[in-house]
Amino acid sequence: DVKVTQSSRYLVKRTGEKVFLECVQDMDHENMFWYRQDPGLGLRLIYFSYDVKMKEKGDIPEGYSVSREKKERFSLILESASTNQTSMYLCASSVGTGVVNNEQFFGPGTRLTVL
Amino acid sequence: AQKITQTQPGMFVQEKEAVTLDCTYDTSDPSYGLFWYKQPSSGEMIFLIYQGSYDQQNATEGRYSLNFQKARKSANLVISASQLGDSAMYFCAMREDNFNKFYFGSGTKLNVKP
Repeated sequence: DVKVTQSSRYLVKRTGEKVFLECVQDMDHENMFWYRQDPGLGLRLIYFSYDVKMKEKGDIPEGYSVSREKKERFSLILESASTNQTSMYLCASSVGTGVVNNEQFFGPGTRLTVL
Repeated sequence: AQKITQTQPGMFVQEKEAVTLDCTYDTSDPSYGLFWYKQPSSGEMIFLIYQGSYDQQNATEGRYSLNFQKARKSANLVISASQLGDSAMYFCAMREDNFNKFYFGSGTKLNVKP
């Protein structure tokens, strides 16, 4: 059974803290993605990675960074958490280009609250 | 410009009736894929159905079908014989084949009434 796992379902942090969100997939997928989901805004792409050590900015990268040292793991880092980063964070993975139906597989999400 | 537009923030449907969720998209790439996902209140994203831009026939998966009208750039999801368990958020998404990025709409919250 294919799987994307995220390190925490719920997380509460304080303003200014450094926050790490971890995502691991066991499908040997090339692509990995981080989204945040807010009511009425759908899913917005923060960063994605199409290979180890490669990353590209999505639509809302400000205040975030990412790390992909191994193919199966993609980390999202909030260098100094702020209250406007309170959100649901979803990780996803997919195979690389060249596959017709390369759907994204999602993790269960991490609901982050920054106080 | 918005790549994916879902104009129905919320919808109600009676159990056992059919419902159509609207999705329009914007791309100049001739090769692309369209996806629908379901997100129940538990939060997980569940893949429902896929339509490729070159597919001649509308995609179907059980009670789900995708009404693909290429010239109008619409990819509406049709759920037949609605069930209470269909109550969820539904997201339309697109991937342009030259890129790895996916674009998501803002979602439609479907409530199925008994």
